[in-house]
Amino acid sequence: GESVGLHLPTLSVQEGDNSIINCAYSNSASDYFIWYKQESGKGPQFIIDIRSNMDKRQGQRVTVLLNKTVKHLSLQIAATQPGDSAVYFCAENPGNAGKSTFGDGTTLTVKP
Amino acid sequence: NAGVMQNPRHLVRRRGQEARLRCSPMKGHSHVYWYRQLPEEGLKFMVYLQKENIIDESGMPKERFSAEFPKEGPSILRIQQVVRGDSAAYFCASSGGSSIQYFGAGTRLSVL
Repeated sequence: GESVGLHLPTLSVQEGDNSIINCAYSNSASDYFIWYKQESGKGPQFIIDIRSNMDKRQGQRVTVLLNKTVKHLSLQIAATQPGDSAVYFCAENPGNAGKSTFGDGTTLTVKP
Repeated sequence: NAGVMQNPRHLVRRRGQEARLRCSPMKGHSHVYWYRQLPEEGLKFMVYLQKENIIDESGMPKERFSAEFPKEGPSILRIQQVVRGDSAAYFCASSGGSSIQYFGAGTRLSVL
């Protein structure tokens, strides 16, 4: 079956630096990818998504890059702030209303 | 403009009791998903429902677990005869039919 994994369980960055969180997936037929942010005691919050026909998508302070050749995607956060401290999950979705498959998450800690 | 509402936020049960978790989707959403999250892990898909119908229950344990989404009222995840291994955070998400799922704050189940 498909799986979604993250390269590092934890990431610590200095406030103001850029953060890069990586994710690998195994299902080459994956069509849609989503990044979620989960703060302590809360549910996952949608950050940004990207379809398999795109290589890059930008949002406010966040960019997602997709490399289908190596089945890898990354989330880049510019000028990381203390409020960005959370667990970040990548998820794969078949591109319809079906279930999402989540990775185990990367804990981002922002040092002041 | 309420988001996905889950209740209770915390639920304590003794082994052998029943647990009922409720989820009201966002207004206008008819697709509901249940996920389970163990500490330090990602979210694991359990079941996907669309008004009165179970669309995908591939993540549901074969015994003791059931879910429904009646025509009127919230979706219910029911766990009968709970065991300690059922202790987890249970998240509900809803969508309007797209791949973006919006999550509630979760119900944290503790089995004594």
